[in-house]
Amino acid sequence: AQSVAQPEDQVNVAEGNPLTVKCTYSVSGNPYLFWYVQYPNRGLQFLLKYITGDNLVKGSYGFEAEFNKSQTSFHLKKPSALVSDSALYFCAVRVITDKLIFGTGTRLQVFP
Amino acid sequence: GAGVSQTPSNKVTEKGKYVELRCDPISGHTALYWYRQSLGQGPEFLIYFQGTGAADDSGLPNDRFFAVRPEGSVSTLKIQRTERGDSAVYLCASSSGGEAQYFGPGTRLLVL
Repeated sequence: AQSVAQPEDQVNVAEGNPLTVKCTYSVSGNPYLFWYVQYPNRGLQFLLKYITGDNLVKGSYGFEAEFNKSQTSFHLKKPSALVSDSALYFCAVRVITDKLIFGTGTRLQVFP
Repeated sequence: GAGVSQTPSNKVTEKGKYVELRCDPISGHTALYWYRQSLGQGPEFLIYFQGTGAADDSGLPNDRFFAVRPEGSVSTLKIQRTERGDSAVYLCASSSGGEAQYFGPGTRLLVL
């Protein structure tokens, strides 16, 4: 079965420190991977995607993600966290029928 | 409009009633998706339209749920004989050419 796992329910980081939000996937074939962010009472906002090419993908708001095929991971990273980055983050994989399968989400809390 | 819009933003109904939720995708996007997000969970796929036809409706939970997209633009998700378990946020997304899906703000449905 195709799936996405986000092993951490919550990640806490101090402002200015680097952050990592973890994601692993299980799919057949080449994965199309995505990160979305959700602020309270708002829809999902697209951050970045990996389709093919460079393993390090750069996205919106200074976020980037590293695709690692051998570890089947697609961790989200940012070199210096901001308090305004505090939100719910979802990793997703697109399967053959174009639908997205989402992880359960990771709440990022950035402390001043 | 620049983004995906959904109406209403909130809907409260009584058990057994019929509801319609509307999605207006980004202009020119041929693909439209419906997802359902329960509290504390990631979005779950319901149905995917390519143009006017449902390309994948495997996520619809039962025959009380139905969706249409008669002119290949606006879509309506219809729920008959609503149940308390249908309470959730219903998200709509659209995309063009298999790229990222862009989400609307969602409709929060509460069935009393």
